[in-house]
Amino acid sequence: DIQMTQSPSTLSASVGDRVTITCRASQSISTWLAWYQQKPGKAPKLLIYQASTLESGVPSRFSGSGSGTEFTLTIGSLQPDDFATYYCQQYVSLWTFGQGTKVEFK
Amino acid sequence: EVRLVESGGGLVQPGGSLRLSCVASGFTFSRHLMHWVRQTPGEGPVWVSRINTDGNITVYAGSVKGRFTISRDNAKNTLYVQMNSLTAEDTGVYYCAREAYGDVRIDNWGQGTLVTVS
Repeated sequence: DIQMTQSPSTLSASVGDRVTITCRASQSISTWLAWYQQKPGKAPKLLIYQASTLESGVPSRFSGSGSGTEFTLTIGSLQPDDFATYYCQQYVSLWTFGQGTKVEFK
Repeated sequence: EVRLVESGGGLVQPGGSLRLSCVASGFTFSRHLMHWVRQTPGEGPVWVSRINTDGNITVYAGSVKGRFTISRDNAKNTLYVQMNSLTAEDTGVYYCAREAYGDVRIDNWGQGTLVTVS
């Protein structure tokens, strides 16, 4: 099974900050990677797929990069609505999620 | 608007059974592969099962293989999962999720239904 590891687990930031979250796969997944945002009590929401393609309707301050085993999600300028937990997910071999990165107020 | 509405969750004793349902609307259900995903508080989601459009090809996570059965009724726009021999490790919020057309990414999720095995 492919394991996904995110870092950091928690990130403290302020509105306007540039935020970067890292996701590592236990083996190469090419660009078969998605990023989701989840708020308390809500379902995950797809932000990015194929490592760097923005889902329709998602603000352009979100971006993704990487291939193989190393990936990043960047929020260009953190907005109040962005405080949430973010998950990466590989979908090259079944579907595996990372453990999550919580973005909280500094 | 894509809508996925799960139901059927609840409290069940270890060894018991439960059947979850998910009613889909706002898209052509029969054209999309569908998934069940479980999540426990404070943890990342865990993929459980997937079914193809015709309902004749299914895939399961190792932890549920032989105990869970995913199925669908395209005439009723409904996805199911029959869960048997439940254990405490099966506890969590179960989400019905849609696979994007022509791709394998999961692009839409329901609001989830809570299953507690205790």
